[in-house]
Amino acid sequence: GESVGLHLPTLSVQEGDNSIINCAYSNSASDYFIWYKQESGKGPQFIIDIRSNMDKRQGQRVTVLLNKTVKHLSLQIAATQPGDSAVYFCAENHGSGNTGKLIFGQGTTLQVKP
Amino acid sequence: SQTIHQWPATLVQPVGSPLSLECTVEGTSNPNLYWYRQAAGRGLQLLFYSVGIGQISSEVPQNLSASRPQDRQFILSSKKLLLSDSGFYLCAWSPPEGKLFFGSGTQLSVL
Repeated sequence: GESVGLHLPTLSVQEGDNSIINCAYSNSASDYFIWYKQESGKGPQFIIDIRSNMDKRQGQRVTVLLNKTVKHLSLQIAATQPGDSAVYFCAENHGSGNTGKLIFGQGTTLQVKP
Repeated sequence: SQTIHQWPATLVQPVGSPLSLECTVEGTSNPNLYWYRQAAGRGLQLLFYSVGIGQISSEVPQNLSASRPQDRQFILSSKKLLLSDSGFYLCAWSPPEGKLFFGSGTQLSVL
């Protein structure tokens, strides 16, 4: 079946360390992937996205890696800060051409220790 | 710049009562509009999306309906709420080939 899953429900890191959040997907037809950050009681905020014709994309302190061979997506956060504490969701679309029709994973909670 | 407004922020309703959640987008025209629901501690599930006025696609069978009476207005409704309708409802918009932007959400509690 179709699913998007994160490998760990909770990730705890020390402030200043790098964080890596992983995600697996099952639909080979997916051609667009996106990471969101959600703080408690708020709507998800866009972090970074990547299309299937790329395997790496960098933003400010964040990098997304896409491995289509093993259907794996990861989000790397450099020099993690307390403000990075939140739930992180990966999401994919299924090649529908509508990039807003997304299948979301269950989320990974990132806890940053001072 | 584009902004999305969603209200109310919280809502407590009795079982069997009607529901109307409203969402409006500013600063863009002909956006794709979406309603997602998030159960506690879970990921988001797409309920409805719309690519134009009066055009509604339902993704999952449910007790809810959606309408788009104007280009930048999206409404989520129910005639009679169920306990299972409780959750965090998020409106979102995207350009036709762009990323999804979410509103601030409505926490609905059906008692």
